[in-house]
Amino acid sequence: GAGVSQTPSNKVTEKGKYVELRCDPISGHTALYWYRQSLGQGPEFLIYFQGTGAADDSGLPNDRFFAVRPEGSVSTLKIQRTERGDSAMYLCASSLTGTSGQETQYFGPGTRLLVL
Amino acid sequence: QKEVEQNSGPLSVPEGAIASLNCTYSDRVSQSFFWYRQYSGKSPELIMSIYSNGDKEDGRFTAQLNKASQYVSLLIRDSQPSDSATYLCAVNLSNFGNEKLTFGTGTRLTIIP
Repeated sequence: GAGVSQTPSNKVTEKGKYVELRCDPISGHTALYWYRQSLGQGPEFLIYFQGTGAADDSGLPNDRFFAVRPEGSVSTLKIQRTERGDSAMYLCASSLTGTSGQETQYFGPGTRLLVL
Repeated sequence: QKEVEQNSGPLSVPEGAIASLNCTYSDRVSQSFFWYRQYSGKSPELIMSIYSNGDKEDGRFTAQLNKASQYVSLLIRDSQPSDSATYLCAVNLSNFGNEKLTFGTGTRLTIIP
């Protein structure tokens, strides 16, 4: 079946602009995660959704970052007033329930964001 | 101390040899451990998961977990050039109900033909 998809694959924007990154999880997966990966680093957790609600948003770096998942499927990560330091690969992952303790997270291809 | 630590490498291994990748983690309550492979410019791809002490084998890959020493490793036998990638160790540091992963910085592996 289809895996996790993310759009756009690349996004170039100017400092101060607003961007939206979309994630479409594997069908039937209730848990959805956003991570951010800078060059030479491992992915860093941003936010975790269980269904429609954000169960853990402790990784969001500041209030310029916000994410939604209104119908419990597609999620959008929103970044306001982008800064050059926001440039990174943004990865989305999904898992079946997010509560079993032993689930695989399947990653999408990522969105590479470049803020000029 | 970082929560999940890996040697960043690069680690160079001759083709056909065994590649050994190591990872330590800080939180004793950790339940789940994963190895992901990441090719340059691509997203992480799951190689192995392990939840209990001991060894788990899947083809050319063996994951080893020692919870007492807070140590997890990945062995790749008969290394192939296509194994050249960055290997990410990931740990679920939380209890049940939130399975966010904490990643190490990754070890870059190069298989020399």
